[in-house]
Amino acid sequence: GAVVSQHPSRVICKSGTSVKIECRSLDFQATTMFWYRQFPKQSLMLMATSNEGSKATYEQGVEKDKFLINHASLTLSTLTVTSAHPEDSSFYICSAAPTSGGSQETQYFGPGTRLLVL
Amino acid sequence: AQSVTQLGSHVSVSEGALVLLRCNYSSSVPPYLFWYVQYPNQGLQLLLKYTSAATLVKGINGFEAEFKKSETSFHLTKPSAHMSDAAEYFCAVSGGAQKLVFGQGTRLTINP
Repeated sequence: GAVVSQHPSRVICKSGTSVKIECRSLDFQATTMFWYRQFPKQSLMLMATSNEGSKATYEQGVEKDKFLINHASLTLSTLTVTSAHPEDSSFYICSAAPTSGGSQETQYFGPGTRLLVL
Repeated sequence: AQSVTQLGSHVSVSEGALVLLRCNYSSSVPPYLFWYVQYPNQGLQLLLKYTSAATLVKGINGFEAEFKKSETSFHLTKPSAHMSDAAEYFCAVSGGAQKLVFGQGTRLTINP
């Protein structure tokens, strides 16, 4: 149980284009999902907290107009990197916290999406 | 506010030897503590968690961790290392509001 998927697993795009990454909780509902960015050989950096039915909460220094987050249902959150540039190349990981079931404090992570912007 | 310090960015042990990965935390409220493992180019997998129940927590793959409030520590151990344990390990803390704060990670290498 507690499986989270991400799609795509890897994407290469041209500079200036937009890329959408999907995060799905497959066997549980998640009112809250999280988006992280990870640079090579570094820890995870929280970008934003995605709340179902409301606006995402962004961490300091993260551009909300560049990283658009939508959490339209209890099992799906999307991150859109708008007008991507090479410096946006990174590993993006999402996580989801169960809405109920006694594990609301636990985040379950997706497999990550490797973004390369040329 | 919460913070996590993982002592040692790289730990190397021989196959069959004891694994000890250190984690110290700081929290202004009773913490929830987690250990996650990350294999190359993959997401994070939950190894174990402490949520104010038993202080000795057993997880998957033979790992366990002990919550020591007096030492503000949550070290991860495994009695006998296996080659498949080679990975990056992250300790994390939350104050109950679900937001996790991660340590910098420890890369575990297993020598044959």
